[in-house]
Amino acid sequence: GENVEQHPSTLSVQEGDSAVIKCTYSDSASNYFPWYKQELGKGPQLIIDIRSNVGEKKDQRIAVTLNKTAKHFSLHITETQPEDSAVYFCASSMEYGNKLVFGAGTILRVKS
Amino acid sequence: EAGVAQSPRYKIIEKRQSVAFWCNPISGHATLYWYQQILGQGPKLLIQFQNNGVVDDSQLPKDRFSAERLKGVDSTLKIQPAKLEDSAVYLCASSLLAGLQETQYFGPGTRLLVL
Repeated sequence: GENVEQHPSTLSVQEGDSAVIKCTYSDSASNYFPWYKQELGKGPQLIIDIRSNVGEKKDQRIAVTLNKTAKHFSLHITETQPEDSAVYFCASSMEYGNKLVFGAGTILRVKS
Repeated sequence: EAGVAQSPRYKIIEKRQSVAFWCNPISGHATLYWYQQILGQGPKLLIQFQNNGVVDDSQLPKDRFSAERLKGVDSTLKIQPAKLEDSAVYLCASSLLAGLQETQYFGPGTRLLVL
């Protein structure tokens, strides 16, 4: 079955710096890659997603890139703010069924 | 629009006891998911419903876990008997449809501690 690996497991950045989180997936049939943010005591919340027919997608300070050949996708957060501190999860799914396979998560700490 | 509701938010039980969690999805969402999130890990799908039918329960430990969605709206997840390794957050999510990469919306979760 699909396996998603996520790095790093923890990331500390200074406020205003950029943060990058990387994921790799195993199943070449995967074609949908969402990113979720989870704050303490809350459920994961979708922040951005990308489909396999697109190489990059941007939404204000957040961007996601996808390299289908290498089976890599990454989350980029620019101009980080303290409220960006949370756990971030990448995930993948194939077209049918919508089953998400999650990475292990990255704890992002933004120091002010 | 109201989000996914779950109850209880916290539950502490002893091993071998039984426990049930309840989920009310976003109104109109046909697909409902139960995930298990062990501390320090990403959520793992336990079961997926499309209306009141099961789409995927391949990772549900069926000897002790059961779930139902009788009227295609609310859902209940039960564990009987519980083991220490069942300590986790149980997340419910819903999406408008299944397939075509519909966004999944998560509830706040139920945090279970088995002693």
